[in-house]
Amino acid sequence: GENVEQHPSTLSVQEGDSAVIKCTYSDSASNYFPWYKQELGKGPQLIIDIRSNVGEKKDQRIAVTLNKTAKHFSLHITETQPEDSAVYFCAADPWGGSARQLTFGSGTQLTVLP
Amino acid sequence: EAQVTQNPRYLITVTGKKLTVTCSQNMNHEYMSWYRQDPGLGLRQIYYSMNVEVTDKGDVPEGYKVSRKEKRNFPLILESPSPNQTSLYFCASSHGQGGSQEEQYFGPGTRLTVT
Repeated sequence: GENVEQHPSTLSVQEGDSAVIKCTYSDSASNYFPWYKQELGKGPQLIIDIRSNVGEKKDQRIAVTLNKTAKHFSLHITETQPEDSAVYFCAADPWGGSARQLTFGSGTQLTVLP
Repeated sequence: EAQVTQNPRYLITVTGKKLTVTCSQNMNHEYMSWYRQDPGLGLRQIYYSMNVEVTDKGDVPEGYKVSRKEKRNFPLILESPSPNQTSLYFCASSHGQGGSQEEQYFGPGTRLTVT
C-alpha cells in the first residue's frame, strides 16, 4: 500500500519568515495530494491540494509543489503569521484521484514565533 | 451550515464495555470515513463507506464495526473496547464523485479513553 513520510515533525519560524514542509510517497499511482491544517481541538481542514497533472499551485501565501518523478511534494507558507501555528498533514491518494482513501503523513507541528 | 458532527466529543470507558460513536453529515455526501489519530502516526483510516449499505475496511479495522443504513449517518462501534483503542477519532465525508469536489470534511473529533 501507499506510504507517506513527512518532515520535519516540528518546525519553528519567526513571524514573517517562510516555512516549508516536505512529504514523500511510495505509490506511483497516487495522483491527488491534499494538505490539511489542524488547529488545536479541531478536525483537519483542507488548505490546498494538487493533482499530478500540475507541478505547482498557489493560493495567496500558500503554495504546493509536486515532483512526480522523485515522488515528493512540499507545502510552502510565506510571510508566516501567528495564526499559521497548527499541525499540518500531507496526504496521498493511492486510488488514482478519487480521494476516498487517503494515506496521511505523520504531521508537522508548526509554531510561528511573534 | 455544512458540517460533520460527532458525539460524544469525549468518552472514558472501561475495557469490554460496548460503545458507539455517532457521526452525521448534512451535505448529502455519498462517501464517509472513520480515522484514528495517534501521536507520531498521523491519521489512519479505520473503515469507509461509498454509499448506503456499502462499507469496506481501511488500514486499521481490527476491533471496530460500522454501519451505513442512512446516507447521513455512519456510526463507529467498538464491541469490546481495549486500552489500545484509546485514541482521537475523526469522521469525515466527501461527495465521492471524484474531480474537483473531493475535499474531505472532518468532524471535530472524539477523544476516547479505555481503561
